[in-house]
Amino acid sequence: QTVVTQEPSFSVSPGGTVTLTCGLRSGSVSSNFYPSWYQQTPGQAPRTLIYNTNIRSSGVPDRFSGSILGNKAALTITGAQADDESDYYCVLYVGSGALWVFGGGTTLTVL
Amino acid sequence: DVQLLESGGGSVQPGGSLRLSCAASGFTFSTYAMSWVRQAPGKGLECVSVISGSGTPTHYADSVEGRFTISRDNFKNTLFLQMNSLRAEDTAVYYCAKNRWSERDFDLWGRGTQVTVSS
Repeated sequence: QTVVTQEPSFSVSPGGTVTLTCGLRSGSVSSNFYPSWYQQTPGQAPRTLIYNTNIRSSGVPDRFSGSILGNKAALTITGAQADDESDYYCVLYVGSGALWVFGGGTTLTVL
Repeated sequence: DVQLLESGGGSVQPGGSLRLSCAASGFTFSTYAMSWVRQAPGKGLECVSVISGSGTPTHYADSVEGRFTISRDNFKNTLFLQMNSLRAEDTAVYYCAKNRWSERDFDLWGRGTQVTVSS
């Protein structure tokens, strides 16, 4: 069973930079997993931020960027703003079962 | 407008059944794979089922295999999820999502429909 790992929580100061990661309990994440990132605020549907490792979805500010760092996918927010306070989910395409596996999500606090 | 609108959620007793629907508009429905993604209270997201644009193949998470059936009506631009033998752990908001196969992502989400399984 594939398990995708994310930091449960993270904190960043307004204007600061934060990097959230997305790993595998067993193995390394590469672009072959097509990592994508989603932002979700309470009571709302997820919003697509990044797809195919590092491509920003339409309308997403350029302070959000995606990459592979070492053996993990990463979402970096540069110049964090108060309305970036959300839950962030990564998902990896694994090609078996229901094809995609989500990480447990990271709750980002901006303070 | 490009949108997805789920319906059919509600409260049901353990062992019961529900059928969710997702009405799609604003894009050529039949050319896209579609998914159902759920979120249990206070928990993360889980992709439970995927269907290709043509209707086959279909894919399921182990947690719902044999109990849930995904299907679609490309003439009516509607996605379905038939849920049988429901358990308390199936309680969640169920989102319909559009997939882009070339990018292996979820690029459009519905607002979700609540399913509660309780005696």
